[in-house]
Parts: sequence; structure tokens; C-alpha cells
Amino acid sequence: GQNIDQPTEMTATEGAIVQINCTYQTSGFNGLFWYQQHAGEAPTFLSYNVLDGLEEKGRFSSFLSRSKGYSYLLLKELQMKDSASYLCAGRTGGSYIPTFGRGTSLIVHP
Amino acid sequence: DAGVIQSPRHEVTEMGQEVTLRCKPISGHDYLFWYRQTMMRGLELLIYFNNNVPIDDSGMPEDRFSAKMPNASFSTLKIQPSEPRDSAVYFCASSLEGDRGQPQHFGDGTRLSIL
Repeated sequence: GQNIDQPTEMTATEGAIVQINCTYQTSGFNGLFWYQQHAGEAPTFLSYNVLDGLEEKGRFSSFLSRSKGYSYLLLKELQMKDSASYLCAGRTGGSYIPTFGRGTSLIVHP
Repeated sequence: DAGVIQSPRHEVTEMGQEVTLRCKPISGHDYLFWYRQTMMRGLELLIYFNNNVPIDDSGMPEDRFSAKMPNASFSTLKIQPSEPRDSAVYFCASSLEGDRGQPQHFGDGTRLSIL
């Protein structure tokens, strides 16, 4: 299978930093995406990693370790509007079609 | 720039009725995907097309579900007959060629309720 595992829910305080982890099966890896989905809306693209290391985009960064089958999304200076579900989607098994994890529901409180 | 357009946004119908969901992908995108999202199962890929040709329909739950893409700018997902367990949000997404990390662009979804 192409199991994508991520925590179900996380909570954090406004202004803080939160790290959302994602693990995947390493066989035939072809890249990993992170999407944000607000309640009642469509997923929107945040980041893509295919090489090891950290990709930074403003308050959001994404990290990948191919040897460990591990990625994380780092959100800095949290704002209330960051409350959403964060979906990890991995392309594994030699496929270029991503498989989505169940998503991590992030709740940011004052 | 027009994104992926889905219709209808909401559909409420009775069990046994035929349901047709529609999608217009972003112009120039090679791939079109149909997903179903529920609290229990998350975002599931039902079927995807490449250049209007169905490539993988292994996610289609059963024969009651069918999808077509008659041209590059239109696709339908049909459920006949519909059942209450089909209630979910159905998303259509499109993307450019997949091997360069091109992200999927999602439509706003169709919220389907089968009574």
C-alpha cells in the first residue's frame, strides 16, 4: 500500500510555532505535497518536496527526509486563520498520482 | 484566471435517483481527478483521466458509479441508482503533467446528500 500517516488533530496557541508530521512508505517515492483545507472549502496547494531538506515559503516551511520516509509542515507565527485541516499527499510506489493522508485538523486558539 | 468549476454546489435527492456531477477543468491541464471526501474515509481518489482517457478507475466503489470525459473541457461523474451511503463531498481536480511536481487544483466541490 501507500500508507500516508499523520496525526488526526493538533492544537496550538496564536503566535506560536507548530510542526505537523507525515510519514509515508519510501518505495518508489516521487515527491510529497502539503495542502491546506479550511472547513467547507476545497484543498489548496501549500508546498511540494522531492529532495531532502527544508523549503521555506513565508510563515510556512516544509521538510523532507527521503531515507526516513518523513516530512513535516512547520507553521510559524500562528494566526487564527491557520485553523484548518492540513493534508499530506505522497507519490509512492512508482506512481506520479498522489495518495492523500486523512489530514491533520489544526486548531489555533487565542 | 478561472479555476476548476464544479456544478452543482449542493445536491439533495432521494435514494434511487440518478445523480450527475459536472466538472470543467482548468484549460490546458492534462489530468482530471474525481475525489470523494467523508469524515470516515478522508479524501479518496475515485478515478483519473489523462488527456480525456480514463487511466485508473480502481477507486470507483461499484458499478453504480461511472465517469466520462468526452472532451478536454468537461467531465461527469454519475451515480445510478444513488444510495444514502453515497452522501459526501465530491471534488474534481485538474493538473498539468504529473512528473514535475505540478499540484492539483481543486474545484469547490459538490455536497451531495442522498435521503
